[in-house]
This record gives sequence, structure tokens and C-alpha cells, in this order.
Amino acid sequence: ETGVTQSPTHLIKTRGQQVTLRCSSQSGHNTVSWYQQALGQGPQFIFQYYREEENGRGNFPPRFSGLQFPNYSSELNVNALELDDSALYLCAAGQANEKLFFGSGTQLSVL
Amino acid sequence: GIQVEQSPPDLILQEGANSTLRCNFSDSVNNLQWFHQNPWGQLINLFYIPSGTKQNGRLSATTVATERYSLLYISSSQTTDSGVYFCAVDDYKLSFGAGTTVTVRA
Repeated sequence: ETGVTQSPTHLIKTRGQQVTLRCSSQSGHNTVSWYQQALGQGPQFIFQYYREEENGRGNFPPRFSGLQFPNYSSELNVNALELDDSALYLCAAGQANEKLFFGSGTQLSVL
Repeated sequence: GIQVEQSPPDLILQEGANSTLRCNFSDSVNNLQWFHQNPWGQLINLFYIPSGTKQNGRLSATTVATERYSLLYISSSQTTDSGVYFCAVDDYKLSFGAGTTVTVRA
């Protein structure tokens, strides 16, 4: 049990649609980051939030956006979905500069 | 960004065997973590190890930061050890290697 919960577990969308993925973590996890994991690859960093402010971003276009809320929950929003967005999306939470704990992920399929 | 290379890419073990997984990284890092990803996608922290050696049951890890590598040892492997092992280096974000897929056969 990592204390990080993601929803939904699976999602099917069509190209051009928008999607919102959710993550909740336990109290004290002031840092949350999102990763995209394509099949057969390691997770790739999308962005990170610290105390509700974005403080780092990977090589992803602006149609990937996020929010972190005061109750330690977070959202990842993806607009104008493309086929290549099909992947496992992982949320990780923890204290800054300490061990990160991952959720079980949301498997997104874009048709 | 920092490059992370893991070897071997695949490993097939007979139950009870020992093995060593390697992670090389291209630059100095604040920290390094080892993860196990189970078949359902869950990433489980194994070690948070910037340097030195740590042990947790049948698993142990050693990081030599000055030489930019880390090793994960699995002893007396069990079928439940199957999955993908990732190392990730911490330079404000986690940069993952491509993973080592371990299959332990009964």
C-alpha cells in the first residue's frame, strides 16, 4: 500500500477528445508528479507540482496540463487526444527530495 | 538530461538462483531509486540509495556514486520476483532507465 490512489484504472477515448485523470495521496505529500509509460518503456516525466505550483516539466506539449489541490489530490488533463497518447499514466507523490510513492496507474487507450 | 542505462534488458532465472542487475548513469545525481513493477503496473519502491549498500530481505543494492553506477542483487529468487525492475535517478525529477525484465521459472 503506497497511499497513492489513481482513478479511473482504465479509460477508452477517441482521437480529439479530452481526458482528466485523478490522483489522491495521503496528508503530507506536498509533491506530486505525473509520468507517462508507453508499452515496453520506462516512465517518462510529464510535470511536477509542489505546494500547488508547477515546478518542473518534461518534454510534453502544452495540451498536457495539471493541477494540485490543497487536499493533496491532483489532476492530469490532456486535450486533443492523439493515438500516441495511449499509455499507462502514473502519479507519484511524496515529500520534496525524499522517496516518491507511485499509484497503480490509469491505462488510457485512444482509438 | 541524464542518461540512464540498465542491463541486461531481459533475465530468465530458475527459482533459487541469484542475479545482479546493473544501472549506469551519465552524470552526478542527488539520489537513485530502484523500483519493481508488477504485472498489474504497480511500481513499488525497493531502495532509496544515493550511495553505499542497503539490504531488504533477499534484495540488496549498492550505489557507487563516484563511478555512476548502481547494482541490485536478487538472492534465492522466487517466482514472485518476476516483473520489470527499474532504476531511476533523481535530478529534481526521476529519470528512468528502460528496465530489466526478470522472469523466474519454478
